[in-house]
Amino acid sequence: QKEVEQDPGPLSVPEGAIVSLNCTYSNSAFQYFMWYRQYSRKGPELLMYTYSSGNKEDGRFTAQVDKSSKYISLFIRDSQPSDSATYLCAMSAGLYSIKLVFGAGTILRVKS
Amino acid sequence: DTGVSQDPRHKITKRGQNVTFRCDPISEHNRLYWYRQTLGQGPEFLTYFQNEAQLEKSRLLSDRFSAERPKGSFSTLEIQRTEQGDSAMYLCASSLGIQDTQYFGPGTRLTVL
Repeated sequence: QKEVEQDPGPLSVPEGAIVSLNCTYSNSAFQYFMWYRQYSRKGPELLMYTYSSGNKEDGRFTAQVDKSSKYISLFIRDSQPSDSATYLCAMSAGLYSIKLVFGAGTILRVKS
Repeated sequence: DTGVSQDPRHKITKRGQNVTFRCDPISEHNRLYWYRQTLGQGPEFLTYFQNEAQLEKSRLLSDRFSAERPKGSFSTLEIQRTEQGDSAMYLCASSLGIQDTQYFGPGTRLTVL
């Protein structure tokens, strides 16, 4: 079983919809949680960065972390066709851990 | 553009050949990382440098792989005697501090025929 599980999709939604993307993980040592967006044949681009549990909002994006359930989410409001990409969750353990562990990524398609 | 840059962007080679990739991190970032990403998967950690010192290597990094970061600036990743299983996107990332976020380059896509 992988340390980080993420539904690969694809997830197809109409423009303007609220999108919910999720990851579950098994390593309770993970404390830092990130969401990256990756367009086709490009490198991952950091969207959100969260430490420990709680919510963080940035424009149309909201990241949630529930450490008790080992579950993280990314919500995208008012989705746009330009949001069509692969969304990768990533996480790392303690203060001196340098290795990011990624989910497989969820493909999102926003239809205009 | 002051982001992470990688060269070449694409590389096609025949099985058994050696290839070398280059990564230029964001200026002043003293930490540099290499990841490998295969189709339909997230990036997997390969190795990490703090300045010129290679501090951690993944089990994924076989003896055919070697990475260097002379003078703590750019880094190279060499794969010797390439195999078809080496076909992947090789991503480089850099960060300023150990708790700082990692910024990724565009990647080098390797195809081994």
